[in-house]
Amino acid sequence: QQQVKQSPQSLIVQKGGISIINCAYENTAFDYFPWYQQFPGKGPALLIAIRPDVSEKKEGRFTISFNKSAKQFSLHIMDSQPGDSATYFCAAINGANNLFFGTGTRLTVIP
Amino acid sequence: NAGVTQTPKFQVLKTGQSMTLQCAQDMNHEYMSWYRQDPGMGLRLIHYSVGAGITDQGEVPNGYNVSRSTTEDFPLRLLSAAPSQTSVYFCASSQRQGVYGYTFGSGTRLTVV
Repeated sequence: QQQVKQSPQSLIVQKGGISIINCAYENTAFDYFPWYQQFPGKGPALLIAIRPDVSEKKEGRFTISFNKSAKQFSLHIMDSQPGDSATYFCAAINGANNLFFGTGTRLTVIP
Repeated sequence: NAGVTQTPKFQVLKTGQSMTLQCAQDMNHEYMSWYRQDPGMGLRLIHYSVGAGITDQGEVPNGYNVSRSTTEDFPLRLLSAAPSQTSVYFCASSQRQGVYGYTFGSGTRLTVV
């Protein structure tokens, strides 16, 4: 049973456009929500993260929006660039420090 | 700083063979974990350790063993390889609280034939 649900599975965006990836969870024991970026042949790397008591966090072109009551959160990539083409994973951490991943979104940014 | 080092990078096993995937970190992280990555399923937690001498099961532990004799090393053992264990395996480490981010190794691509 997937503890974190992620959509879409793949996404194609024009250069300069906005990429939006959505995630949802059920377990209210999760207390931290990171996003990871993965390039082919590499391990995932932390991109940005948010605590559930914050509704939005922005770092450069990357923004997390968090809706605690709906148990949903999303990643927005503004002014998407070809170098952003990668697989993105939302995730959630529980009190035992275990990290649970969504199924991933393959983003392709077309020049 | 090497971070998290995984060996080997690639491995082909025959069904029934055993092997150990190595993982070492040089950041003095207390928490280490193993994940497998399969297409369309994201990364799933196999086993984890909160410190030397302490290990526990994750989401998909069957067919795998771990031990943590030192802070630095966290090997993953496949007892009797099966084709269903064909996957990419990632080791990760973090400080006690994952809020500071997990550091992942570059992975081991395992094929069981």
